[in-house]
Amino acid sequence: ETGVTQSPTHLIKTRGQQVTLRCSSQSGHNTVSWYQQALGQGPQFIFQYYREEENGRGNFPPRFSGLQFPNYSSELNVNALELDDSALYLCASSLEPSYGYTFGSGTRLTVV
Amino acid sequence: QQQVKQSPQSLIVQKGGISIINCAYENTAFDYFPWYQQFPGKGPALLIAIRPDVSEKKEGRFTISFNKSAKQFSLHIMDSQPGDSATYFCAASIIRNQFYFGTGTSLTVIP
Repeated sequence: ETGVTQSPTHLIKTRGQQVTLRCSSQSGHNTVSWYQQALGQGPQFIFQYYREEENGRGNFPPRFSGLQFPNYSSELNVNALELDDSALYLCASSLEPSYGYTFGSGTRLTVV
Repeated sequence: QQQVKQSPQSLIVQKGGISIINCAYENTAFDYFPWYQQFPGKGPALLIAIRPDVSEKKEGRFTISFNKSAKQFSLHIMDSQPGDSATYFCAASIIRNQFYFGTGTSLTVIP
């Protein structure tokens, strides 16, 4: 049973809308990373938060933003949704950036 | 630019056989090479990982072989079982920060 939970599990949005995805990390995990996994592809790194500060960012535009909260939860926000944003969004948490990561089961986002 | 290249895209193996998945990388700064297993509807789960100062690591039926000079590493699944049917991803990272994943291998083990 994974200690990382994501909500919602599935979501359908219209192009141009905004979406917020949520992740609850294991207690004590100060690090959370978000990944985008397109169908049939490997996960792509979006960004990482460590102790509530952004700690690295992949090749994603600024309309992808995030927040990490003191209670080990985090959010991924995507503005101005595009059809290509349709994917499985995964969060992964860790005690520290250099430790092992546990992935959640993801949120399947469909943009129509 | 694909930082980690993975092959084959799909693999079919008989029960009891050996499954072999290969990966290659370019960035010599990578210092951590994990393999993940992913079942449909689930997130990736860490299977086994290796550091570049070791040429082989074995955990149960799973073995990573690492060739630093060739910048290649592979996953061997011995005595493959139908329950091993899943998608496998290799990955690489620097200080376990940002992971670069391969494109995945869909493994089917036939009973």
